[in-house]
Amino acid sequence: TQLLEQSPQFLSIQEGENLTVYCNSSSVFSSLQWYRQEPGEGPVLLVTVVTGGEVKKLKRLTFQFGDARKDSSLHITAAQPGDTGLYLCAGDGSNSGYALNFGKGTSLLVTP
Amino acid sequence: NAGVTQTPKFRVLKTGQSMTLLCAQDMNHEYMYWYRQDPGMGLRLIHYSVGEGTTAKGEVPDGYNVSRLKKQNFLLGLESAAPSQTSVYFCASSYSIRPDAPNEQYFGPGTRLTVT
Repeated sequence: TQLLEQSPQFLSIQEGENLTVYCNSSSVFSSLQWYRQEPGEGPVLLVTVVTGGEVKKLKRLTFQFGDARKDSSLHITAAQPGDTGLYLCAGDGSNSGYALNFGKGTSLLVTP
Repeated sequence: NAGVTQTPKFRVLKTGQSMTLLCAQDMNHEYMYWYRQDPGMGLRLIHYSVGEGTTAKGEVPDGYNVSRLKKQNFLLGLESAAPSQTSVYFCASSYSIRPDAPNEQYFGPGTRLTVT
């Protein structure tokens, strides 16, 4: 199993602040996905990054894939209460077969 | 287009009872998965299927069985429930994996199971 470590585990901020969460591994992934999970719901795919160094933007969310395809970051600008949720990264590795390797997630709380 | 649906949403079982969780998808996806999610453990793959009539073990398969008799349905069975199987269960599906395509998965809303 290719392990993905996410940090921080928990993050509580006020509306309007910026934040970055990280997803790190010692393994190379062919692609990496970010999901957001709201309480009582299933994870929802936000973005997939495939190329080393790739940057993708989704409104106020910026995703980056590391040059070596071993790590990724998610930056949120001017966080809003609607951003509250569990952010999961998942790696699509060469030796993971059909399974995605999920990190344990970063739980984000944005208060008004 | 409902995506991935799961039934039931909640269930309480007594130790030793059996039950089946049903997952259905209307996206014509080849691949389907069952995960469990526990605090501090993240999402762990129980079983998966790469097509109708095929199933395979994931990371934590013990105590569970699955069947994929129809392409759109994936059933997860607990023959003799144990308190350690108290968890939230998620079903997911994805398009068939091509070498050049990421395995993007679509999840259902989950089933919260408590075994007493």
